[in-house]
Amino acid sequence: DAGVTQSPTHLIKTRGQQVTLRCSPKSGHDTVSWYQQALGQGPQFIFQYYEEEERQRGNFPDRFSGHQFPNYSSELNVNALLLGDSALYLCASLGVGTDINYGYTFGSGTRLTVV
Amino acid sequence: GENVEQHPSTLSVQEGDSAVIKCTYSDSASNYFPWYKQELGKRPQLIIDIRSNVGEKKDQRIAVTLNKTAKHFSLHITETQPEDSAVYFCAASIYSSASKIIFGSGTRLSIRP
Repeated sequence: DAGVTQSPTHLIKTRGQQVTLRCSPKSGHDTVSWYQQALGQGPQFIFQYYEEEERQRGNFPDRFSGHQFPNYSSELNVNALLLGDSALYLCASLGVGTDINYGYTFGSGTRLTVV
Repeated sequence: GENVEQHPSTLSVQEGDSAVIKCTYSDSASNYFPWYKQELGKRPQLIIDIRSNVGEKKDQRIAVTLNKTAKHFSLHITETQPEDSAVYFCAASIYSSASKIIFGSGTRLSIRP
């Protein structure tokens, strides 16, 4: 059973450029959330997608946008990159199970460096 | 707004001793409290969680306690081992299909040999 997969694993972009990050949720999960984790900080909620629509959004500017596809995979797009956007971007999928481990399953993340 | 505060930010304990990490949350509607362990360069991994209908939960050397009235919850690790060294995050959520998880700022736990 594949877990949450993210691509690419690492990315270097120049200030002002645009970037697209990708996520495939765990099998059977239909809800995808994106988090930004700056160095030494806890993950910060960006937004959540369900049924191809943005359902909730955190305190992030409109430069951050996303999409969910019919197969539940998701993309995170960031426009006009700033140096402060450098972070680990985590995708998490949500599913309700019958065992103790319900809740989010995180991918390994994409490390974005803006120079 | 929703907020989770976590203390301490760093914690160093002797191998074999216990470690305690404490968190408070602001949203009284929160009813699901997971704890994650994140090793350097890796993804956060769920290690234990508790729902608001119980006050305590234990899984081998790890236990969590919840005080809903005070909006406090804690992680207790007993008989610490070197492999327990990592960053630990508490979090709070309203458990539903639309839940978002709000994380604390993390505790870097170091186990001294």
